[in-house]
Amino acid sequence: NAGVTQTPKFRVLKTGQSMTLLCAQDMNHEYMYWYRQDPGMGLRLIHYSVGEGTTAKGEVPDGYNVSRLKKQNFLLGLESAAPSQTSVYFCASSNGLAGRGETQYFGPGTRLLVL
Amino acid sequence: AQSVTQLGSHVSVSEGALVLLRCNYSSSVPPYLFWYVQYPNQGLQLLLKYTTGATLVKGINGFEAEFKKSETSFHLTKPSAHMSDAAEYFCAVSEFGNQFYFGTGTSLTVIP
Repeated sequence: NAGVTQTPKFRVLKTGQSMTLLCAQDMNHEYMYWYRQDPGMGLRLIHYSVGEGTTAKGEVPDGYNVSRLKKQNFLLGLESAAPSQTSVYFCASSNGLAGRGETQYFGPGTRLLVL
Repeated sequence: AQSVTQLGSHVSVSEGALVLLRCNYSSSVPPYLFWYVQYPNQGLQLLLKYTTGATLVKGINGFEAEFKKSETSFHLTKPSAHMSDAAEYFCAVSEFGNQFYFGTGTSLTVIP
């Protein structure tokens, strides 16, 4: 039982390049989330999904797209990377609605540097 | 929207001393409250949470927190700090939705 895994662990991009971050969970959770963590700002929700085939915007969705084609996977895409997207990205999943008190399980994070 | 305030971005305590990490939130209704811990180069893991019921919540590793509605606070405490408690601690709030609001975090240093 690996929990929540994220690929890659670290990536360097040039401005304007695109990439996809992969999140996978083996806990059969319905809900999945993408956060970014920046110094002094805590974690901010980018997008989330309440089930396979669904996605919704969080607090800071601009510049990102997501897809949930399979229940166990949640992809975060950057179509045209900008230096402002340099951050640590965390994926999380939960069995029930996080907003109703369900525990979120986090992956180890992906460090992204955009030059 | 919710806001979460964690007083003190850095807290240092001596080993064996009381740990007190402060969290205040803004909400017009009773929220769900969480404390997460992040060890270096790792993801976050749940320490404890308040949903309903008893306002004093016990978590893992000897931590506990008390929900005080009148003070809109959810401070985290541990009677005796251990070296392994050195980490970043995040308070989080949710209010009947999928939106989660994290505080900016408090880095705890434990001095031998």
